[in-house]
Amino acid sequence: AQKVTQAQTEISVVEKEDVTLDCVYETRDTTYYLFWYKQPPSGELVFLIRRNSFDEQNEISGRYSWNFQKSTSSFNFTITASQVVDSAVYFCALSEAAETSGSRLTFGEGTQLTVNP
Amino acid sequence: ETGVTQTPRHLVMGMTNKKSLKCEQHLGHNAMYWYKQSAKKPLELMFVYSLEERVENNSVPSRFSPECPNSSHLFLHLHTLQPEDSALYLCASSQAFDFGLYEQYFGPGTRLTVT
Repeated sequence: AQKVTQAQTEISVVEKEDVTLDCVYETRDTTYYLFWYKQPPSGELVFLIRRNSFDEQNEISGRYSWNFQKSTSSFNFTITASQVVDSAVYFCALSEAAETSGSRLTFGEGTQLTVNP
Repeated sequence: ETGVTQTPRHLVMGMTNKKSLKCEQHLGHNAMYWYKQSAKKPLELMFVYSLEERVENNSVPSRFSPECPNSSHLFLHLHTLQPEDSALYLCASSQAFDFGLYEQYFGPGTRLTVT
């Protein structure tokens, strides 16, 4: 069975600090996909990134960067120079290749990030 | 309207009431999902519809009844709920093919309170 662990329940930083959110996953599949979502107070989950298991290249998008380490089954997310607007709950999720169509996401429990001015 | 919309945004209902949650996606997707998000718990997948057919039902009690009349609309019919069913119900959509490749796009959710 697949599992996603986000050990950090809450993180609080001061604006402009860098912060890394950890994600560790478990799966028996060789083909799988990893995702990060942001959930601001409004409730809607916002898709941030998708990474497949064959692509270990790290990615940077503006202040966001992701570090995929297959050897340690981790997919960590770093926000550089954090801003108050980054305050949200961040979810890491895993999707295995399914026998039927449609993707099935297994979510971690989320990390509440608070960025203080 | 763009993205995924859900109505109502807030719902308070008694245990004997019948109500329905509505979800509509404007993204041209062909798979839709219902999730339950309770306090202090991970998101729980409830139902998956792909090409208008239910492909997954994660042992959800029968007091929750989904309906997918077409690829753009998804309903969750509620009856005789329990207080522990109070939660944020999220709808999502994605492309259906390539078995797990595509990301899901979420609506803003319906905050349900059962009294």
